[in-house]
Order: sequence, then structure tokens, then C-alpha cells
Amino acid sequence: RKEVEQDPGPFNVPEGATVAFNCTYSNSASQSFFWYRQDCRKEPKLLMSVYSSGNEDGRFTAQLNRASQYISLLIRDSKLSDSATYLCVVTSLMYSGGGADGLTFGKGTHLIIQP
Amino acid sequence: EPEVTQTPSHQVTQMGQEVILRCVPISNHLYFYWYRQILGQKVEFLVSFYNNEISEKSEIFDDQFSVERPDGSNFTLKIRSTKLEDSAMYFCASKEKGFGQPQHFGDGTRLSIL
Repeated sequence: RKEVEQDPGPFNVPEGATVAFNCTYSNSASQSFFWYRQDCRKEPKLLMSVYSSGNEDGRFTAQLNRASQYISLLIRDSKLSDSATYLCVVTSLMYSGGGADGLTFGKGTHLIIQP
Repeated sequence: EPEVTQTPSHQVTQMGQEVILRCVPISNHLYFYWYRQILGQKVEFLVSFYNNEISEKSEIFDDQFSVERPDGSNFTLKIRSTKLEDSAMYFCASKEKGFGQPQHFGDGTRLSIL
């Protein structure tokens, strides 16, 4: 199982600022891409899926560059509640036609929004 | 919103003992997973389960581990003879059928091996 690399941070950002995270993945066979957030000692929660054309959900924008094997997340107008660890996650189909692919997680980027 | 539920929230067990962690996936989901997260480390895939059989497992999922779906709602992870290094958070996840569907996680069981 190949790796997902992220800058661990922490990123200390004032409230209202824009912040961007990146990650790279090593397995070119990766098929699906996600950003999850994880609060301290809690479960990962889906933030958004990442599509090849890029996608936006409110203040969050995700981009995928398959050629460079690179995924990004942009958070605009950051809120105190955005403080969390952001996990870059990819899947790979291990079996032909399979759908039960396990997720490969990055170690996460820790974001702290300061008032 | 439907959610994945896990019990117990915290399990303390003596080394060498068997432990069973329980999960109730979201009702219309067809794929089920177990992950673990050792304190301070990343979330690691253990096993996926579909159509009443294991689809994929990682190198962590050795002969000490097993999974079962004993009825229509529960999905369990058994560790036969626990080791100190099994201490971790264990997360269950499930997803719907369909390419690219995201996995939804339960709030985890913290397993402490003494």
C-alpha cells in the first residue's frame, strides 16, 4: 500500500484568513480522493470528495492534479471551528471491478485558527 | 442523519485476552471496514468486507484478527490474543455501493491493553 504525504503543520492562521493545504500521493492507480477532518481523539469526518475537475463546497475548494499526483484544499474566510486536523485520503482498487477498497490516509495537517 | 455506531467506547483488556469490538453500520450500506489509529499516528486500514466475505486486508490484519457479520446489522472485529501494541483507537466504517462513494466512520472504540 502506497503512501500519502502531507505537511503536518501546525498552521496557525488568524480568523477570516485563507489557508491552503496540499498533499501528494505515490500510487498512480489511486482512483478516489477525499478530504476528511479529524478533531482531537475523534473519528475522521468527511469534509468533501475531490473530483478531477475541481469542486467547491461553500468556503472549501478542492483540486486534483492526476499528472502530478497532487491534491489541494483551500479554506476561505476561516472560522474558529475550522481548527482541526485535515486528512488527505485516497483509495486504490486492489481487485479488478472491486469496490471494497480500503482508504490510505495521510498523517494530516494540523490547523489552528486564532481569534 | 444515519450514523455508524460502535460499542464499547472504551475497552480495557489484559494482554493475551480475546476482545470483540462491535459496530452497527449504516443500514443501506453494503461495504464495511475496520481501521485503527495508534495514538499520535495516522489512521491505518485493516480490512474490508463485502457480500459476507473479506475483500481486502492489510499486512496488519494477521491471524490474530477476524471479522464477522453475525446478523443483518452487526459487524464485529475480534482480536484473539491481544498484545500491548494492539492498543489503539479502532474505527468502523461503511459505505454505499457505487464507485467513489465516501466511507462514513463510527466514533471509535479505544482499546487499552494492560
